[in-house]
Amino acid sequence: NAGVMQNPRHLVRRRGQEARLRCSPMKGHSHVYWYRQLPEEGLKFMVYLQKENIIDESGMPKERFSAEFPKEGPSILRIQQVVRGDSAAYFCASSDRENTEAFFGQGTRLTVV
Amino acid sequence: GNSVTQMEGPVTLSEEAFLTINCTYTATGYPSLFWYVQYPGEGLQLLLKATKADDKGSNKGFEATYRKETTSFHLEKGSVQVSDSAVYFCALPASNTGKLIFGQGTTLQVKP
Repeated sequence: NAGVMQNPRHLVRRRGQEARLRCSPMKGHSHVYWYRQLPEEGLKFMVYLQKENIIDESGMPKERFSAEFPKEGPSILRIQQVVRGDSAAYFCASSDRENTEAFFGQGTRLTVV
Repeated sequence: GNSVTQMEGPVTLSEEAFLTINCTYTATGYPSLFWYVQYPGEGLQLLLKATKADDKGSNKGFEATYRKETTSFHLEKGSVQVSDSAVYFCALPASNTGKLIFGQGTTLQVKP
């Protein structure tokens, strides 16, 4: 049973480009969460999605960031016009319901040059 | 809303020493509580959990007891190994949407 799959593992973008991060949840999981981790810092919640719905986006920056979880296919976190401050590790997690444990992917490490 | 606070790190121990990492929480009701571990360069892994008051979660020699009287969920291990060096996160679900809220993480370094 495959775990949460994130790709790419490493992504380098120049300032002003777009970054697209993909997350395939565990089989049977319909809840997806995105977190950001800066070096030597903890996890910061970004967004919580269920299939085709955003449940909680209280941690998403108001501009340049968006997320989706379509009926078919992986969840996508999109960052437009990246800046150096977007450099971080982005983790996706999934669960089969709310208020329970979530399982994490290996993360995508975004570097903006 | 629900929240969680962990002890500051880093924690540096010698091999075979006893480990305690403190975690206290504020919550509506009695949500499940979790400990996650993150090894360098990897994602978080669920280490153990407790789903109700007085439950003890255990895994790989680590234990934590859900104590409602002290609103705590301290992580313990009787004899740490170098391979336990990692960052440990305490977590619980948010009161409104059920997403997981994490403590700030505690770095453990075990020296031979």
